[in-house]
Amino acid sequence: GAVVSQHPSRVICKSGTSVKIECRSLDFQATTMFWYRQFPKKSLMLMATSNEGSKATYEQGVEKDKFLINHASLTLSTLTVTSAHPEDSSFYICSASDTSSSSYEQYFGPGTRLTVT
Amino acid sequence: KQEVTQIPAALSVPEGENLVLNCSFTDSAIYNLQWFRQDPGKGLTSLLLIQSSQREQTSGRLNASLDKSSGRSTLYIAASQPGDSATYLCAVSGNFNKFYFGSGTKLNVKP
Repeated sequence: GAVVSQHPSRVICKSGTSVKIECRSLDFQATTMFWYRQFPKKSLMLMATSNEGSKATYEQGVEKDKFLINHASLTLSTLTVTSAHPEDSSFYICSASDTSSSSYEQYFGPGTRLTVT
Repeated sequence: KQEVTQIPAALSVPEGENLVLNCSFTDSAIYNLQWFRQDPGKGLTSLLLIQSSQREQTSGRLNASLDKSSGRSTLYIAASQPGDSATYLCAVSGNFNKFYFGSGTKLNVKP
């Protein structure tokens, strides 16, 4: 089946620094990828839609200058949390669907746990 | 905006029981409905995908149904096992393939 990877799986950073998270589709191409965050014991909240070759589309209430998204190729999207603060600590998950498939099934990455100290 | 609700929030059953998890959504204009499993501190494992034109899907001991017009889906787990213990998430996709998730049902199957 289709595989989506994320790197790193876990990261700890100091307040004020920036952190980049990568999302890759390993065996398929994805024109669109999605970024979610999950607070402890809560469900996933869609943050933004990452579009290959164009600007990301952010959900209401998500700061685009805070969460920078770049989708430079059909297999890679990156999420950069800028000037991270402790409240940005969360579990970040990306997903992608195979551009060539008609089912629109979403394949999810294993997630990245960010802790800001 | 699409809202997805899952009931119950938590469920504890003895091993061997059959059980049903419920999911409802407010906007019936969906493309897909997908059920996932999430183990503590882990990512998502896709269990079943039901396209909007389908009524149900089966995989092993799992059966998921979809009633799009009433905005409901159920996940049926037969002969539950302790290894089934996890949080089960329901998600629906609509325009632009965005997924909206329910808050999940935390299942505990007791040996």
